[in-house]
Amino acid sequence: DIQMTQSPSTLSASVGDRVTITCRASQSINVWLAWFQQKPGKAPRLLMYKASTLQNGAPSRFSGYGSGTEFTLTIASLQPDDFARYYCLQYSSYPITFGGGTEVEIK
Amino acid sequence: EVRLVESGGGLVQPGESLRLSCAASGFTFTRFFMGWVRQTPEKGLQWVANINEDGTEINYVDSVKGRFAISRDNAGSSLYLQMNSLRVEDTAIYYCATYCERSDKCLRRFDYWGQGTLVTVSS
Repeated sequence: DIQMTQSPSTLSASVGDRVTITCRASQSINVWLAWFQQKPGKAPRLLMYKASTLQNGAPSRFSGYGSGTEFTLTIASLQPDDFARYYCLQYSSYPITFGGGTEVEIK
Repeated sequence: EVRLVESGGGLVQPGESLRLSCAASGFTFTRFFMGWVRQTPEKGLQWVANINEDGTEINYVDSVKGRFAISRDNAGSSLYLQMNSLRVEDTAIYYCATYCERSDKCLRRFDYWGQGTLVTVSS
């Protein structure tokens, strides 16, 4: 199985900050990576797919980068609505696997 | 508006069975692969199973193979998860989600989700 490791597990930041979350795969997944945002009590929301393609309706301050085994999700200027938990997902091969998540909290 | 509404969760004892349902509306159900994802505070998000448009291609995570069965009713726009021989470690919120769309070359995963249904397995 492909293991997905996210870092950091928690990130403290202020409104307006640029923040970056990293996701590493235990083997190459090409560009088959997605990013999700989840708020308490809600289902995850797809933000990004194929590593760097923004999902329809997701704010343009989100960007994704990477291929192979290392990927990043960057929020250009953190907004109050962005404080949430973020997960990566590899869908290169079965079983498809999620990362452990990164909590973005208010500093 | 896309809607996925799960039902059927509840409290059961180890070894018992439960059937989850997911009612879909607001999109062409037959164009999508569908899937189930579960979530616990300890283990996070875990893909459970997915099924293609006509039910001929099915995949499961190893931990549920032989115990869970995913199925769909295209006429009724519904997705199901039959869960047998339930274990304490199956306790989770279960989400129904669109897995991918073949006309989109399956580039995306899980672009629409339900609100989830809680399954608790405890003696």
